Amino acid sequence: QVQLVQSGTEVKRPGASVRISCKASGFTFINFYMHWVRQAPGQGLEWMGIIDLKGGRASYAEKLQGRITLTRDTSTTTVHMELSSLRSEDTAVYYCARYGPESGPIYFDYWGQGTLVIVSS
Amino acid sequence: DIQLTQSPSSLSASVGDRVTITCRASQSIRYALNWYQQRPGKAPEVLIFATSTLRSGVPSRFSASGSGTDFTLTISSLQPEDFATYYCQQSYSSPWSFGQGTKVEVK
Repeated sequence: QVQLVQSGTEVKRPGASVRISCKASGFTFINFYMHWVRQAPGQGLEWMGIIDLKGGRASYAEKLQGRITLTRDTSTTTVHMELSSLRSEDTAVYYCARYGPESGPIYFDYWGQGTLVIVSS
Repeated sequence: DIQLTQSPSSLSASVGDRVTITCRASQSIRYALNWYQQRPGKAPEVLIFATSTLRSGVPSRFSASGSGTDFTLTISSLQPEDFATYYCQQSYSSPWSFGQGTKVEVK
């Protein structure tokens, strides 16, 4: 079965960077795209970026350009999201979400459990 | 960029009530509209994709319709497990976007 398992809670100082992992299993990794979505406390869902798991090409939300980097490792079927120059407004739960299924209309069909990132001095 | 506006932002309802949530897109997204349910402390889960197709396993009390810019999600008879927040999301074009959410609360 499809599983996306994310790394654990992170506590960071303002200005630092954070790297979150999303370990995928139960599907052919390179056949899909993976998105990242975040949710600040009590707020809605914000799309952050997408990565092609085959070629590794990524595209980012304009407001995060320059601070976010998505990478993938096909040997470990893991996707990484790195966010730099952290500020308090980056405190949120971060989700990876697969863009699927393989055929037909596509949507965020499987989600990781979420990773809480707390940015605080 | 495509903006999605949901209404209402929240609503209070009782078990058995019929509930309707609307989502309006800032430009036509044809049928590329999906609905997600999020329970507290959990990741969102897709309920309906491509405007009106129920994901396997989703109860038939959920239905949705629309096209172009106007979409609706309906719960025909609210059940206790349906008290949650609902989001619409467009997959028509990048950047992908979500509505601001509709919280369905107990009356």
